[in-house]
Amino acid sequence: GAVVSQHPSWVICKSGTSVKIECRSLDFQATTMFWYRQFPKQSLMLMATSNEGSKATYEQGVEKDKFLINHASLTLSTLTVTSAHPEDSSFYICSATKELNYGYTFGSGTRLTVV
Amino acid sequence: GENVEQHPSTLSVQEGDSAVIKCTYSDSASNYFPWYKQELGKGPQLIIDIRSNVGEKKDQRIAVTLNKTAKHFSLHITETQPEDSAVYFCAAKLTGGGNKLTFGTGTQLKVEL
Repeated sequence: GAVVSQHPSWVICKSGTSVKIECRSLDFQATTMFWYRQFPKQSLMLMATSNEGSKATYEQGVEKDKFLINHASLTLSTLTVTSAHPEDSSFYICSATKELNYGYTFGSGTRLTVV
Repeated sequence: GENVEQHPSTLSVQEGDSAVIKCTYSDSASNYFPWYKQELGKGPQLIIDIRSNVGEKKDQRIAVTLNKTAKHFSLHITETQPEDSAVYFCAAKLTGGGNKLTFGTGTQLKVEL
């Protein structure tokens, strides 16, 4: 149990365009979903926390107008990178949790390359 | 907020040997400590976790110990195999901290034949 599906696994886009990444909890309802960014050989850095039906909470230094997060249902959260630039190229990972004392399940990640 | 330090950054062991990775956390209110294995190009996979009311937990070749007084926890892998080679991350969850995890900096484990 506790499977999180993330799509796409990789995407290449042109500078200035927007890219949407989906994160779905397949066999449980996720009260909270998280979005991380990971640069090569570095740790996971939390970008934002999203709860179903409410606005996401962004970490300090993360531009909320650039990284749009929508958590419209208990099984789906999306991250849209708007007006992407080469410096946005990174590995984006989502995770989901069922409830306060439950574990966290991670998606397989999305490799974004902006050219 | 929480701060998690992880050591070593790289670890090379011979197949069959044991590997130990250590983490320290800053906030005594943290109550959940998972360990993740991440292979290249993939998301982290939970390998073991421990909660603050337990001092040790074991699952086959993998064990985790927690010292709340010293605020550190360790991952122990015995009888290492080449497929154990990956990056390992520790993490800590702060009670009341918005339910979010703070990750350590990672350890690149290489198991050599």
